[in-house]
Amino acid sequence: DIVMTQSPDSLAVSLGERATINCKSSQNVLYSSNNKNYLAWYQQRPGQPPKLLIYWASTRGSGVPDRFSGSGSGTDFTLTISSLQAEDVATYYCQQYHSSPYTFGQGTNLEIK
Amino acid sequence: QVQLQQSGPGLVKPSQTLSLTCAISGDTVSNNNAAWHWIRQSPSRGLEWLGRTYYTSEWYYDYAVSVNSRIIINPDTSKNQFSLQLNSVTPEDTAVYYCAGSGNFYRAWGQGTLVTVSS
Repeated sequence: DIVMTQSPDSLAVSLGERATINCKSSQNVLYSSNNKNYLAWYQQRPGQPPKLLIYWASTRGSGVPDRFSGSGSGTDFTLTISSLQAEDVATYYCQQYHSSPYTFGQGTNLEIK
Repeated sequence: QVQLQQSGPGLVKPSQTLSLTCAISGDTVSNNNAAWHWIRQSPSRGLEWLGRTYYTSEWYYDYAVSVNSRIIINPDTSKNQFSLQLNSVTPEDTAVYYCAGSGNFYRAWGQGTLVTVSS
């Protein structure tokens, strides 16, 4: 199984500041045949299901604000929120869909400083 | 836009069978380019993928090793839905269960069902 490890486990950032969350996979999630990284990011607010933010490591989902961006390749990935808003308080998860079983990171709790 | 609506009981007795259904709108369960998944979430296990079904000329099923001997995911083309059956449950199966799709990353999620395993 591919193990996904996020860092940090929790993060406090001031409003308007940048937030950065890291995700590392135990195996390469890049398919060389199509040069795509099979990595997604989700946001989960309390009491709600996760919401897709980013797929193919860097493509924003429908309606996702452009302050959210994803980067990285191979085994190391980053989710960046360029200017933190109050509504961004949530838990963030990375997920690999390169190979079954499809695995998630343990989550990063983001709060306002 | 794909929407998923879950239904099923929130309380199951130990050793019995957990059964949930996920109704699909905005897509079809037999879409050759789609896959339909069940995922659960608990404080001890985090987000845990349980399995999926998908159709490409025939139906395929793919299950997590941790539940492989106890799980069945069934598509129902007549009702455009898919179901989860988890047999011989124990308190460790207590979690919020989600259906999700329509690919192997999840644009659509069900609302979640808290299933408690208790006598």
